[in-house]
Amino acid sequence: AQTVTQSQPEMSVQEAETVTLSCTYDTSESNYYLFWYKQPPSRQMILVIRQEAYKQQNATENRFSVNFQKAAKSFSLKISDSQLGDTAMYFCAFSKKNRDDKIIFGKGTRLHILP
Amino acid sequence: DVKVTQSSRYLVKRTGEKVFLECVQDMDHENMFWYRQDPGLGLRLIYFSYDVKMKEKGDIPEGYSVSREKKERFSLILESASTNQTSMYLCASSLIGTGTDTQYFGPGTRLTVL
Repeated sequence: AQTVTQSQPEMSVQEAETVTLSCTYDTSESNYYLFWYKQPPSRQMILVIRQEAYKQQNATENRFSVNFQKAAKSFSLKISDSQLGDTAMYFCAFSKKNRDDKIIFGKGTRLHILP
Repeated sequence: DVKVTQSSRYLVKRTGEKVFLECVQDMDHENMFWYRQDPGLGLRLIYFSYDVKMKEKGDIPEGYSVSREKKERFSLILESASTNQTSMYLCASSLIGTGTDTQYFGPGTRLTVL
């Protein structure tokens, strides 16, 4: 069975700093998707970034980038030039490439960006 | 933009009541999901559906049932609400066949069972 582990329950960083959120996963699949979702306080959960396992290049979306280490089964999220609006709960997630699209979520990291 | 809506943001019910949580998506997505979110436990999948009238149990289906009579609507039913079902409930949908596998979430329903 697949598992997703986020080892940092809570983090705080100063505005404009760079922060890295850790995620490891366990699977025997060779092809799959990895995701980072963001849930701001009292707001809807949204997708931040997505990585396909067969793509070696790390995904990037503006200030958000990932460090995908397939052999180590590690998928960390880096937020550059952090902003107050980045304050949120962040969930790492895994999905096999099959019909039911079931996603397995980690327990989340609560990130506080301090002014 | 994909829109997933849930019938209530906040709901208060009494123990033993039958509770319906409704979810509607407007993007013709085939897959729909119900999760509950609890502090320290993350998101746990209750049920999902990959087609009309189809349903599959997730990780914690006990005490819940679902209904999907139309493609756009997925209902979660608590047959007899209990206090341990007090939680945040999130609905999500995803499109099949595009290879994206991204899930789109509703705003959530915070249910309190007294």
